[in-house]
Amino acid sequence: AQSVTQLGSHVSVSEGALVLLRCNYSSSVPPYLFWYVQYPNQGLQLLLKYTTGATLVKGINGFEAEFKKSETSFHLTKPSAHMSDAAEYFCAVSLTGANNLFFGTGTRLTVIP
Amino acid sequence: EAQVTQNPRYLITVTGKKLTVTCSQNMNHEYMSWYRQDPGLGLRQIYYSMNVEVTDKGDVPEGYKVSRKEKRNFPLILESPSPNQTSLYFCASSLLVGLNEKLFFGSGTQLSVL
Repeated sequence: AQSVTQLGSHVSVSEGALVLLRCNYSSSVPPYLFWYVQYPNQGLQLLLKYTTGATLVKGINGFEAEFKKSETSFHLTKPSAHMSDAAEYFCAVSLTGANNLFFGTGTRLTVIP
Repeated sequence: EAQVTQNPRYLITVTGKKLTVTCSQNMNHEYMSWYRQDPGLGLRQIYYSMNVEVTDKGDVPEGYKVSRKEKRNFPLILESPSPNQTSLYFCASSLLVGLNEKLFFGSGTQLSVL
């Protein structure tokens, strides 16, 4: 069985500060991992994904995430938060691919001017 | 423009009154899926379809039906809606079944069942 835990349903950061959104997964086999972002009144958009290869994955809008097998984590980071980053972020795991996803409960990011 | 279109965006109905939420994609995608989003629960898959006339249950299929008669359309049907189906619904599609594809999401349908 696979599952995803996102620590912190709400995270607030100041503009220009580091963004760190946490995601831990549970899986019996090496999973594929994804981060999606949902802006207000919109559907989800793919930020980045880890499938195989390099464990540090770069995505859109300056975000990146590192797959750490020993910690079963896939935390999302961005060095400097921008107001436009305010959104809800979902971590997701799959054993078979991008269209068989199991989503976490989401983290709402607020950026304070 | 490549997109997944859901209709309606907002819907208020009463218990037991059948309704259909439509979903259409213009990208010739094989895979389509429905999710519901609830506070504190994230997104949960209701049904998915690998191709025309091929559908299967997701994690929370009870109370829902789907059909895939054409590649572009994947309607979600609630035969007898109940208040616990009040939720935000998303349709999604992707080109192929596989890990190198990404899901394209619609803008969502907010359903309230009174």
